[in-house]
Amino acid sequence: RKEVEQDPGPFNVPEGATVAFNCTYSNSASQSFFWYRQDCRKEPKLLMSVYSSGNEDGRFTAQLNRASQYISLLIRDSKLSDSATYLCVVKEDSGNTPLVFGKGTRLSVIA
Amino acid sequence: DGGITQSPKYLFRKEGQNVTLSCEQNLNHDAMYWYRQDPGQGLRLIYYSQIVNDFQKGDIAEGYSVSREKKESFPLTVTSAQKNPTAFYLCASSIPASGKGEQFFGPGTRLTVL
Repeated sequence: RKEVEQDPGPFNVPEGATVAFNCTYSNSASQSFFWYRQDCRKEPKLLMSVYSSGNEDGRFTAQLNRASQYISLLIRDSKLSDSATYLCVVKEDSGNTPLVFGKGTRLSVIA
Repeated sequence: DGGITQSPKYLFRKEGQNVTLSCEQNLNHDAMYWYRQDPGQGLRLIYYSQIVNDFQKGDIAEGYSVSREKKESFPLTVTSAQKNPTAFYLCASSIPASGKGEQFFGPGTRLTVL
C-alpha cells in the first residue's frame, strides 16, 4: 500500500523555537510534494509546495530528499499562530489522481 | 470570489436516513474529491471525479454515492448503508493536470447522525 508516514506528535515548543517535521513516502515514482496546514475543526490549506532543490517561504523551509524518499518542514521563530496540524502530501503521477495525505503532525506553540 | 463551497456547515440526521452533502466550485477545476475525517484521524478518500459524468471509488466508498453532472458540482450522498456516518466531510478540487496537482478544500460539512 502506498503511504505517507508522519510522526503524529504532539510537538510542544515555546514561542521563538525552531521546529522540524519529517515524513517519508513509499512510492519512489511520486512526482509532486506539498505541506498543508489544518487548524482545529477547519479544512486543510496549502502551506507550500516542496521542490527538489528545497524552498523557503518566510519562516518556513521545505526540503525533499528523493533518494531517501523523505520530506521535511522547518519552522523558524515559531509563533502562537503556527499551532496546527501539518500534513505531508504526495502526488504520485502527473494526472488528476488523488493526492496521498499523511495523517499529520500536531504542533502546539506555547507562550 | 472564486472558491469551493460546501453546505450545510452542520447537518444532523436520524439513523437510517439518506443525506446529500453539497459541493460547488467556480474555479473551473476538472477534478473534484470527497474525503472523510474522523476525530484525530487523517483524511480518507471516498470518491473522486476527474471529469464530468465520470467518477471513481476511493478507499472507503461503501455506503456512499456521488454524481458529476456538471463541472461545478459534485454532491455526495451518505446512504443508510454507511455504518458510521458521523464525521467531518471535506470536498476538494484540483487545478488541471498540467499543473502540480494541488488540491483546494471547501470548509467542510460536519455530519452527525443521531
